Amino acid sequence: KAGVTQTPRYLIKTRGQQVTLSCSPISGHRSVSWYQQTPGQGLQFLFEYFSETQRNKGNFPGRFSGRQFSNSRSEMNVSTLELGDSALYLCASSLGTGSGNTIYFGEGSWLTVV
Amino acid sequence: AQTVTQSQPEMSVQEAETVTLSCTYDTSENNYYLFWYKQPPSRQMILVIRQEAYKQQNATENRFSVNFQKAAKSFSLKISDSQLGDTAMYFCAFMAQYGNKLVFGAGTILRVKS
Repeated sequence: KAGVTQTPRYLIKTRGQQVTLSCSPISGHRSVSWYQQTPGQGLQFLFEYFSETQRNKGNFPGRFSGRQFSNSRSEMNVSTLELGDSALYLCASSLGTGSGNTIYFGEGSWLTVV
Repeated sequence: AQTVTQSQPEMSVQEAETVTLSCTYDTSENNYYLFWYKQPPSRQMILVIRQEAYKQQNATENRFSVNFQKAAKSFSLKISDSQLGDTAMYFCAFMAQYGNKLVFGAGTILRVKS
């Protein structure tokens, strides 16, 4: 069974540009979450999607957005990139969004903003 | 809001020995879930073990076990017979009873020496 797949794995963008990251969850998983990992802030929750609806959102500016498609695949978008957006972006999936779901992570997308 | 604290930024252990990583958390909830994740240099987040707060019995997964002290809000991870492949960053994480949001600690770098 394939794990959580994220693309692209590495990318470099210029300040002011926008970026879209993609995530395919484990087959059968309907919940997808996104996390940002930086040396300074650690691991921070961005948002969660279930059945194409955003269920929860972390404390990030509106430049960070996401969506989920009917096949549970998800994308996150960051507009007007800033240097501080350089980070590892981790996608995670779980079966549902109820109680105590085990969360499985992808390998992440490394974003460098120059 | 829940917080998770890992007070040991780095630890080292000799191969085949036992090591314990500490984690404390703060919550006003009675039911919740706790996790330990491992992040090796590849950056893939790997679930090590999970604990349901309503279970008094400590979770065990092969060489990994936890000491869950609900009243003290403490959740330590014990690794027995440490192996070189255990070298990684270890994150303690909290999940509320409902929802898929993980709140992570800052992590502990564990180095296993031969």
